[in-house]
Amino acid sequence: NAGVTQTPKFQVLKTGQSMTLQCAQDMNHEYMSWYRQDPGMGLRLIHYSVGAGITDQGEVPNGYNVSRSTTEDFPLRLLSAAPSQTSVYFCASSYLSHKSNSPLHFGNGTRLTVT
Amino acid sequence: SQQGEEDPQALSIQEGENATMNCSYKTSINNLQWYRQNSGRGLVHLILIRSNEREKHSGRLRVTLDTSKKSSSLLITASRAADTASYFCATVGGGGKLIFGQGTELSVKP
Repeated sequence: NAGVTQTPKFQVLKTGQSMTLQCAQDMNHEYMSWYRQDPGMGLRLIHYSVGAGITDQGEVPNGYNVSRSTTEDFPLRLLSAAPSQTSVYFCASSYLSHKSNSPLHFGNGTRLTVT
Repeated sequence: SQQGEEDPQALSIQEGENATMNCSYKTSINNLQWYRQNSGRGLVHLILIRSNEREKHSGRLRVTLDTSKKSSSLLITASRAADTASYFCATVGGGGKLIFGQGTELSVKP
């Protein structure tokens, strides 16, 4: 199994550009989520999904959109990139935590720089 | 604000010593999880403790949970240089969202 796959690994954007970070998992997990990790801030939840067609906001959703059209994929869209969105982004998935106490499986991250 | 807060933020020890990291949280939880992150990599799950458990062991790891104090600790015994990493606690509340603390950076010197 590939687990959680994130693409691209690195990306540089200019302010105002848009892009989509891709995340795919092959473990049939219902729960998928996006975090950003900044120095001294730990991981902060951006958006999450408990199944296809269902998404919800996390702690820091502004400036990001998500959709969940399939169980496998959970892309994160930056509509108009800002320097404050320079960060490392992690996608993670699991069976539904509140039902199964299932741990999260993480991708290896996308390092995004906005100039 | 963050649900979990780790203490200390950084810890430096010698190989063979024990390392203890603490986590405090604010609201009621379903379970608490500990993760490890090596530099430049994603997080890896270490151990999960349910809200009705007080202690759990896995190899050289020992986790305790005190729901009355809203705190947990992770003990790594007989540490090795390969244990050098950042360690995060994460709490699962209502709705299944997993919220992470800021992490403890552990350095184990050979």
